[in-house]
Amino acid sequence: DAGITQSPRHKVTETGTPVTLRCHQTENHRYMYWYRQDPGHGLRLIHYSYGVKDTDKGEVSDGYSVSRSKTEDFLLTLESATSSQTSVYFCAISEEGGAIGGYTFGSGTRLTVV
Amino acid sequence: QQQVKQSPQSLIVQKGGISIINCAYENTAFDYFPWYQQFPGKGPALLIAIRPDVSEKKEGRFTISFNKSAKQFSLHIMDSQPGDSATYFCRPWANDYKLSFGAGTTVTVRA
Repeated sequence: DAGITQSPRHKVTETGTPVTLRCHQTENHRYMYWYRQDPGHGLRLIHYSYGVKDTDKGEVSDGYSVSRSKTEDFLLTLESATSSQTSVYFCAISEEGGAIGGYTFGSGTRLTVV
Repeated sequence: QQQVKQSPQSLIVQKGGISIINCAYENTAFDYFPWYQQFPGKGPALLIAIRPDVSEKKEGRFTISFNKSAKQFSLHIMDSQPGDSATYFCRPWANDYKLSFGAGTTVTVRA
């Protein structure tokens, strides 16, 4: 997807290990978001950022932390991965919180915790 | 915090038919009403959006109709095609960054 890249695209990790997912944007948008998508639950917000070093929790933030040291990068860390964190993770960006032009999503990271 | 309720959860339509998805909301502060389309293995993408000062917006075969008094907006897909098979999400916007997207509606168009 233009302007937003997620890495890795796929990852398999063991229970209890730390995992970091990366989101990189080239649009210079102020807002960045991490969602997880699970069958029957849709897209649920984990954390979001409204500027460098400015982050806040979303609906399902337990077990996750984020960091944003540069406008273009937003990292999601699973401190100690659990099987319940097996999911597809999407990063999104927006101008002005989504009221102008909506959200632009990355292609997702499929994470499997075994 | 069920601020948005989307229906149906899934629908099957024949090629050439009309698909209708509804989104009911509670927060009257919402001022931007978009629909997103997601294909398998891809992230959602903005499909069409409307502001509350208009009652209808049409882009090709996709139409949003907005009923402010009923606090509801709908997506109509006219002349549905197999390529429209996807999951559709409504996600109205207010100054609430924490609102999730919900489960969406899976549309299957049979050839």
